[in-house]
Amino acid sequence: DAGVIQSPRHEVTEMGQEVTLRCKPISGHNSLFWYRQTMMRGLELLIYFNNNVPIDDSGMPEDRFSAKMPNASFSTLKIQPSEPRDSAVYFCASSVSAGVQETQYFGPGTRLLVL
Amino acid sequence: GENVEQHPSTLSVQEGDSAVIKCTYSDSASNYFPWYKQELGKGPQLIIDIRSNVGEKKDQRIAVTLNKTAKHFSLHITETQPEDSAVYFCAASRGSSASKIIFGSGTRLSIRP
Repeated sequence: DAGVIQSPRHEVTEMGQEVTLRCKPISGHNSLFWYRQTMMRGLELLIYFNNNVPIDDSGMPEDRFSAKMPNASFSTLKIQPSEPRDSAVYFCASSVSAGVQETQYFGPGTRLLVL
Repeated sequence: GENVEQHPSTLSVQEGDSAVIKCTYSDSASNYFPWYKQELGKGPQLIIDIRSNVGEKKDQRIAVTLNKTAKHFSLHITETQPEDSAVYFCAASRGSSASKIIFGSGTRLSIRP
């Protein structure tokens, strides 16, 4: 089975540019999570969706960040405009939501560097 | 807000010895405690989890213990091997599908040959 797929795996961009990160969850999973990982702040939940609907976006740093999930098999995280402090590894994870907490399966991450 | 503290931040053990990582949580409503292993360049992967209706769970060389009264839980790895070298994260949540998982800060485990 294919796991969570993220693209691109690496992204280098200049400050002020728009960045779009993409995620394809595991087929059949109905919850999707976006995390950011840095040395200073560890693993932080940015936003999560259940059945394509955003449930909690309280972790989104500011208005420059936005996330969408137009269908069950695709989600995007967009940063516009990007800033050097956005440099981090961004992970997407998915799970089956059926009442109780189920395992979250993480993708390989997108390593973002904003110059 | 919810908080999960993890210790130590780094741990080096001799191959074959045991490794123990400890975590505490602040939200008394937490009842689901997963542990993730992250290898270099990869995303975290679940290695074991425990729910609050049990105090201990084992899976081969890995065991987790939970003390709900003290709000402590621990990961024990016995007979460590080189492939156990990685960063380990504990986490806690309220256990429903709508709950957030709060992660600890991670422990970098190194196995000395």
